Amino acid sequence: GAVVSQHPSWVICKSGTSVKIECRSLDFQATTMFWYRQFPKQSLMLMATSNEGSKATYEQGVEKDKFLINHASLTLSTLTVTSAHPEDSSFYTCSARGGASSYNEQFFGPGTRLTVL
Amino acid sequence: QKEVEQNSGPLSVPEGAIASLNCTYSDRGSQSFFWYRQYSGKSPELIMFIYSNGDKEDGRFTAQLNKASQYVSLLIRDSQPSDSATYLCAVNPRGFKTIFGAGTRLFVKA
Repeated sequence: GAVVSQHPSWVICKSGTSVKIECRSLDFQATTMFWYRQFPKQSLMLMATSNEGSKATYEQGVEKDKFLINHASLTLSTLTVTSAHPEDSSFYTCSARGGASSYNEQFFGPGTRLTVL
Repeated sequence: QKEVEQNSGPLSVPEGAIASLNCTYSDRGSQSFFWYRQYSGKSPELIMFIYSNGDKEDGRFTAQLNKASQYVSLLIRDSQPSDSATYLCAVNPRGFKTIFGAGTRLFVKA
């Protein structure tokens, strides 16, 4: 399968600071990337969909000014959590779709665990 | 009605048995169907996808699709304790965003 990396794998920050998470497709061009959040023992929750070179589409209830997404190239998307607060502490994971396959498989990065103190 | 429904489990099977995981979906026009495995604290990992009616086998895994019944299943033969995880069914309706089920927790007893 295709490889997606994510950095950092974990981060601890103080309340009010901003945190940037990078998602990279290493061996294919990702036309679309997705950002998910998952709280303990809960389901994956899609936050937003981003296509290279265009604005991200956010899911209902997700604040676009708080969760800034940039998909500047076919291999890189970033999620910035601005003015993070303890309630933003969660597991954030990205997935990428693209390449030669026409079946719309999504490949996930390893995830980032964010803890806001 | 949820778009992708799965029994939350836990499904408990003894080591060496066949684990059967089921999923139903609501969009009749769906074209691609996926099974992901997610270990606790980790991201989902794609293990199978299927797009035609019938069975698709890959090692110990068999995905089954019945579009008329809007039903997808995953069979895991010779289950191992390392198969203990949450299995997510995902459905892609006509190229739009993929819809994930809430997952079924599988526990394989040694």
